[in-house]
Amino acid sequence: SQQGEEDPQALSIQEGENATMNCSYKTSINNLQWYRQNSGRGLVHLILIRSNEREKHSGRLRVTLDTSKKSSSLLITASRAADTASYFCAPYGGDNQGGKLIFGQGTELSVKP
Amino acid sequence: EPEVTQTPSHQVTQMGQEVILRCVPISNHLYFYWYRQILGQKVEFLVSFYNNEISEKSEIFDDQFSVERPDGSNFTLKIRSTKLEDSAMYFCASSGQGKGEQYFGPGTRLTVT
Repeated sequence: SQQGEEDPQALSIQEGENATMNCSYKTSINNLQWYRQNSGRGLVHLILIRSNEREKHSGRLRVTLDTSKKSSSLLITASRAADTASYFCAPYGGDNQGGKLIFGQGTELSVKP
Repeated sequence: EPEVTQTPSHQVTQMGQEVILRCVPISNHLYFYWYRQILGQKVEFLVSFYNNEISEKSEIFDDQFSVERPDGSNFTLKIRSTKLEDSAMYFCASSGQGKGEQYFGPGTRLTVT
């Protein structure tokens, strides 16, 4: 597995606005996963997109994947104060059987009421 | 909805003491993981466990660390002789597939004094 690089490092928006976070990675992947972490809490799996998928939706979340550019984006629509958290991408290369995930610094999202 | 549980939520120990952190993964999952997060830093992979043996371990996971699945439900992380730098949040995770989404527990905050 490899580490994804999230961008921006921090994002501050008003409630109701959309938030877009980007992830870049270096080598080929089997899938890419997005996680959320509220301060001091465990990570919560949000969505998994496979390498043969280009877009996936889950509620207010929309994830895109461009394997030619080795990048992914996470869009949160109509954001809420409760969306305030750090968001991480985890590209999974499938080159190991154990499935470890490597997390970067994440994007710290602040949604102001 | 099934979830990963961890006990205790907070453990304070003196340097040199042994600690055991406990996790109950989701019952039909086959892959188990430990991660840690030092305050203000990234979530770091420690070890993955499958089929009653370690699949992969990081450089952090030295001889002071061990993992065990003593029965069909628990998954433990033992630190034999704790150091100050072992102070961190320790997260357990489980997965039904080696390359799928991982479900994290709420963490155990370990404080070594």
